[in-house]
Amino acid sequence: GESVGLHLPTLSVQEGDNSIINCAYSNSASDYFIWYKQESGKGPQFIIDIRSNMDKRQGQRVTVLLNKTVKHLSLQIAATQPGDSAVYFCAENNAGNMLTFGGGTRLMVKP
Amino acid sequence: DVKVTQSSRYLVKRTGEKVFLECVQDMDHENMFWYRQDPGLGLRLIYFSYDVKMKEKGDIPEGYSVSREKKERFSLILESASTNQTSMYLCASSLVSRIYGYTFGSGTRLTVV
Repeated sequence: GESVGLHLPTLSVQEGDNSIINCAYSNSASDYFIWYKQESGKGPQFIIDIRSNMDKRQGQRVTVLLNKTVKHLSLQIAATQPGDSAVYFCAENNAGNMLTFGGGTRLMVKP
Repeated sequence: DVKVTQSSRYLVKRTGEKVFLECVQDMDHENMFWYRQDPGLGLRLIYFSYDVKMKEKGDIPEGYSVSREKKERFSLILESASTNQTSMYLCASSLVSRIYGYTFGSGTRLTVV
């Protein structure tokens, strides 16, 4: 079936380095994608989104890249900080207003 | 600041108890959702509602029911709690008209003993 998945379940980076979190999706009809951040003991929080008519979108220290050819989504975090330590989820909208979530990648930032 | 508020952060209930998890949103969203989140299994949809008194089963509705008597409130009911329902429960809401993603509550960590 259609699914959203992640390549790396855990990513460990040094403070100050850039982080890249990847996500593969399988539904070519998906037209909207979101990255969420979930800190320990909290609910997921919206980070950044991108529509399928775009390849790149930038926020504050975060960039989302969408490669529709290979159905790949990535989240780049610049100058990773300890506060970035969390689980990151990608999600896709492929049927009306329902999102399908990936399994999550844990980002660990080493001081 | 717009919010989705879940009434309890932590709950401990006994097997067989009837459990109510409450969720309230102040964004006038039509859609509301209940998920459970377990290690290695990600977010799994239990039930959702797209309007008052309307409900739809998600992927894992067994052992649960829901109630939506008012637009802002969506309740998840465990009719007879079991230990395999120990989990993190997340409520979310969204607009029907445009998909901008979901706004999530902080979650309720339920332990059934």
